[in-house]
Amino acid sequence: GQNIDQPTEMTATEGAIVQINCTYQTSGFNGLFWYQQHAGEAPTFLSYNVLDGLEEKGRFSSFLSRSKGYSYLLLKELQMKDSASYLCAVNDGNYQLIWGAGTKLIIKP
Amino acid sequence: GAVVSQHPSRVICKSGTSVKIECRSLDFQATTMFWYRQFPKQSLMLMATSNEGSKATYEQGVEKDKFLINHASLTLSTLTVTSAHPEDSSFYICSAPEGRDHQPQHFGDGTRLSIL
Repeated sequence: GQNIDQPTEMTATEGAIVQINCTYQTSGFNGLFWYQQHAGEAPTFLSYNVLDGLEEKGRFSSFLSRSKGYSYLLLKELQMKDSASYLCAVNDGNYQLIWGAGTKLIIKP
Repeated sequence: GAVVSQHPSRVICKSGTSVKIECRSLDFQATTMFWYRQFPKQSLMLMATSNEGSKATYEQGVEKDKFLINHASLTLSTLTVTSAHPEDSSFYICSAPEGRDHQPQHFGDGTRLSIL
C-alpha cells in the first residue's frame, strides 16, 4: 500500500530550529512536496525535492533520500507565524499526490 | 507565481440545496485539476480528478452523482454538491498542477461549506 508517515505534533521555541521528518512508501515516485497549512486555510507550497539532497529556500530547507524513503523539512529562526500544519506529500508518478496526515507545529515564545 | 482562484470562499445553505464551487487557474492552463475535502483536524482527502474534455475520475467511496465535476475548459473546473446534507459540510479545496511535469500543485483558497 501507499503510506506517508510524519509526526502528529511538534513544539519548538521562537528563534530556534526545528526538523519535521517524513517517511514514505509509495508505488512510484516523482517528487516529494512540503506544504504549509494554517488553520482554516488552504495549503501553500513550500518546497519540492525530486533528487537526493538538500534544497534551501530562505529559512526553509528540505532534504530527500530516495533510497531511504525519507525527507525532512528544516525551519530556521522560527517565528510565531510559522505555527501551522506542515504536510508532506509524494507524487506517485500519476500526477496525484499521496498526503501525509500533517504535522502540527506549535511555536512558543 | 501561478495562482488558482476558488469561489465562493464560504457557503451556508439549507439541506437539499445544490452548491456549485468554481476553480480557475489564472495564469496557466490545467488539463487536470484535483478536488479535495478536509474535515476538521484531518488531512486532505482526494475526492476526484477533473480532466479537461473527459469524465472525472472519482476516488473510492465518492459518489459521482452527488459530486458532479465539470472541466469545461483548460482553466476552469467546477464541483457541484447536489442535494447537500449536513454531513457534506466540510472544507473543499481544489488544486491545479503546473508545469511540464504537472507539478507542483497550486491550491485554491478553499470553500467552507456549511449545510444547515
